[in-house]
Amino acid sequence: QVHLVESGGGVVQPGRSLRLSCVASGFTFSSYDIHWVRQAPGKGLEWVAVISYGGAYKYYADSVKGRFTISRDSSKNTVYLQMNSLRVEDTAVYYCVRPRYSSSWYLEYWGQGIVVTVSS
Amino acid sequence: SYELTQPPSVSVSPGQTARITCSGDALPEKHAYWYQQKSGQAPVMVIYEDNKRPSEIHERFSGSSSGTMATLTISGAQVEDEADYYCFSTDRSDNDRGVFGGGTKLTVL
Repeated sequence: QVHLVESGGGVVQPGRSLRLSCVASGFTFSSYDIHWVRQAPGKGLEWVAVISYGGAYKYYADSVKGRFTISRDSSKNTVYLQMNSLRVEDTAVYYCVRPRYSSSWYLEYWGQGIVVTVSS
Repeated sequence: SYELTQPPSVSVSPGQTARITCSGDALPEKHAYWYQQKSGQAPVMVIYEDNKRPSEIHERFSGSSSGTMATLTISGAQVEDEADYYCFSTDRSDNDRGVFGGGTKLTVL
């Protein structure tokens, strides 16, 4: 059974940093890309970033490029999202997502989400 | 940057057919995916690769795509189908970045 559990959220001031973690279980971690998707309060879904199953490829939405870094540690079955220079508009629920197939865009398995609040 | 455009809201009576559209310049070449999100819950995929339905999704949900528009159709909409629906795809020039539409609130009453 696929499980994705996010952690590391909280309240942070604008300009500061935060690192989210996503611990995966129930599948062969190194065989799947992992995505981050976020949703601001009362707003729609926004795709944030993806890391390839081997970790070689990383892609970002324009809104976070240069500020956020996605990485993975296969020894810990964990994907990270390092968020620097945080802005008020980064306030959202952040979801860790696994596709149905290794590198597809069929985003099937979602974590429960973690809340990030950027506020002074 | 690439955008997918959806109507903010669609309203139907129970048993009627609901159609939700998604417009994007790259849709002739890129697949569309559709997600249902109920209040306080994580999204659930209802249609993938334009017109394929996951086995656990009711057959009243269907998808199609023609030119720059993808359409999610709910035939005989039920009260329990009331939710936000999002289309999702990738940019023509950058296949490695995803984009969600703005979402459509479906009201069934």
